[in-house]
Amino acid sequence: QVQLQESGPGLVKPSETLSLTCVVSGVSTSRYYWNWIRQSPGKGLEWIGYIYYSGITNYNPSLKSRATISLDMSKNQFSLKLSSVTAADTAVYYCAREVRPLEWWGWFDPWGQGARVTVSA
Amino acid sequence: DIQMTQSPSSLSASVGDRVTITCRASQSINNYLNWYQQKPGKAPNLLIYAASTLQTAVPSRFSGSGSGTDFTLSISSLQPEDFATYFCQQGYSTPLTFGGGTKVEIK
Repeated sequence: QVQLQESGPGLVKPSETLSLTCVVSGVSTSRYYWNWIRQSPGKGLEWIGYIYYSGITNYNPSLKSRATISLDMSKNQFSLKLSSVTAADTAVYYCAREVRPLEWWGWFDPWGQGARVTVSA
Repeated sequence: DIQMTQSPSSLSASVGDRVTITCRASQSINNYLNWYQQKPGKAPNLLIYAASTLQTAVPSRFSGSGSGTDFTLSISSLQPEDFATYFCQQGYSTPLTFGGGTKVEIK
């Protein structure tokens, strides 16, 4: 059974860097695409980006290059860093595996349970 | 970016009712459309991928259809555990985008 579990600080100060880790169990991170997605009342569900085991990354341009996703296959986990945060980055952050039957398309399954992050001084 | 528009944003229905939710893409996305169910305080859960293929263990009362820009999610006979919020998501191009959600409430 594939499971994902997010962890990280629940409170981050404005202008600082948000850091989250997603530990994967039940499957190797040397396969699949590994994604971060966030959800806030104001913006709904927003895709942040993904990393592939080869090191290929793809980010949502709306984040203006503030996001960095990295992968540690030795620990079977991947991470998100989001710099220069503001109150608008307050959200529940989910990690998710993307299953791709075709190289360019897939779906998210499963998701982690979510990590609530508040940006406030 | 491809905009995904869901309608209605919410609906009230009774157990046993047939429910239909619509998702429209701002451009053609072939059948690269996925549906998720989310219950309060929980992560979204995959229901349907490729517009019409049920994920393993999803009850057959759920069905999906459509191609191009217009898609529907139907629940043939609403059950108590189906009261939740449903989201569509396009996988045609990045940035990947989601619909705003449809909340299905008890009448």
